[in-house]
Amino acid sequence: AQSVTQLDSQVPVFEEAPVELRCNYSSSVSVYLFWYVQYPNQGLQLLLKYLSGSTLVESINGFEAEFNKSQTSFHLRKPSVHISDTAEYFCAVSDSRNDYKLSFGAGTTVTVRA
Amino acid sequence: GAGVSQSPSNKVTEKGKDVELRCDPISGHTALYWYRQSLGQGLEFLIYFQGNSAPDKSGLPSDRFSAERTGGSVSTLTIQRTQQEDSAVYLCASTGSTPLYGYTFGSGTRLTVV
Repeated sequence: AQSVTQLDSQVPVFEEAPVELRCNYSSSVSVYLFWYVQYPNQGLQLLLKYLSGSTLVESINGFEAEFNKSQTSFHLRKPSVHISDTAEYFCAVSDSRNDYKLSFGAGTTVTVRA
Repeated sequence: GAGVSQSPSNKVTEKGKDVELRCDPISGHTALYWYRQSLGQGLEFLIYFQGNSAPDKSGLPSDRFSAERTGGSVSTLTIQRTQQEDSAVYLCASTGSTPLYGYTFGSGTRLTVV
C-alpha cells in the first residue's frame, strides 16, 4: 500500500521569505507524485506533478518540487512567497496498481505574514 | 459544465437523518472519485467509479455510506442515519481517460451533523 507523510502541519512564513514543505511517500512500485493547493473556502487545485523524466518540476506561480527516489521524497519549495500563497498544501501519490487513486498526506497549512 | 459541480455547498442535518450529496463531473470525464476531508486531517478516499465498471467501494467507512453514478455522469453519495463523526467536507473529483493529467475537484459539500 502507498502512503504519504507531510512532516509539517503548520508553516508560518514572512512575505518574500523562502518556504519548503516536506513530503515523504512509501510505495513498492513506481509512483506518480502531486502537489495540490487549497485556498481558503475553495476546492483543491493541482499545483504541479511528477510523472516521469526530469526530477525537478515547476508550477506557473513559482513553486517547484524535486522527486528524490532514494529518499522517497517530493518536497515543495518556493524561493519567495507572497501573501496570496496562504493556503493548505497537500502532497499526493498515485500508482497504476491502484487505478491511479490518489493517496493524500494530512496537509500543510502555510500562513504568509507581511 | 466547465468544472465539477457539487451540491449542496453546505448541509446541516440532525443526527440519525439521511443525506444525499450530489456531484456533477466534467462532461466526458470517465472517472469519478469521492473523498472526505475531516478537520485537521488529509483527504480520505471513499469510492471510485470508472466508466461502466463496478465501483471500487474499498474506502467507504461503513455500510451507512453508499454511492451511485447514473448514466456514467452524475453521482450521488448517500449517508444513512448520520452520526456526528460524519461531519466533514465531502469532495468529488473527476478525470478523463488519462487520470495522471490530474483530478479536477469540486468545491465540496460541508456536512455538519448536529
